[in-house]
Amino acid sequence: DGGITQSPKYLFRKEGQNVTLSCEQNLNHDAMYWYRQDPGQGLRLIYYSQIVNDFQKGDIAEGYSVSREKKESFPLTVTSAQKNPTAFYLCASSPRPGVVEKLFFGSGTQLSVL
Amino acid sequence: GNSVTQMEGPVTLSEEAFLTINCTYTATGYPSLFWYVQYPGEGLQLLLKATKADDKGSNKGFEATYRKETTSFHLEKGSVQVSDSAVYFCALGDSGAGSYQLTFGKGTKLSVIP
Repeated sequence: DGGITQSPKYLFRKEGQNVTLSCEQNLNHDAMYWYRQDPGQGLRLIYYSQIVNDFQKGDIAEGYSVSREKKESFPLTVTSAQKNPTAFYLCASSPRPGVVEKLFFGSGTQLSVL
Repeated sequence: GNSVTQMEGPVTLSEEAFLTINCTYTATGYPSLFWYVQYPGEGLQLLLKATKADDKGSNKGFEATYRKETTSFHLEKGSVQVSDSAVYFCALGDSGAGSYQLTFGKGTKLSVIP
């Protein structure tokens, strides 16, 4: 079955540590996105990628980095510069950039600070 | 810029009660409108959508009508079930304006009690 796989489901970060969240899709989608969800808040866009080897900052990119070396994969690194990383992180993909009507989401990663 | 405002929760209803979750939007272009549902610990799933004024989206007994004159997209269901307990997000996508993302409301948590 096609879909988006995020791992791990739960992740803990120590002070000053970088951590990487995995996102893999087998939908053959060109575009991929990372959103951050805080309790009682909507989703906020961190980064998005329209095509391999290309990505753009979203609304809250500071303290995060991404790469898009393969079409299927869009990992997100939460760096030590992100001072408030505790949140639920959602990866999404769409067939082509701007086709927001066909946005598919993964099941999310809950990141917590030790 | 684009924005979405939806009623704050939590909303608690008895089984078989009528549900309305209000959603209003501000957009510069001609957006598509969406309702997403998130079950505990999971990602978002598209519930329904409408792409132009006066369109009605429907799925699983839920309905919402795109009202341009009132800039609204209220979610309704005639008889809720315990299994409808989830967080509901209203969102807009403005692909025509060159935007490559969805703008989400803050979400409304619904709890349905037997």
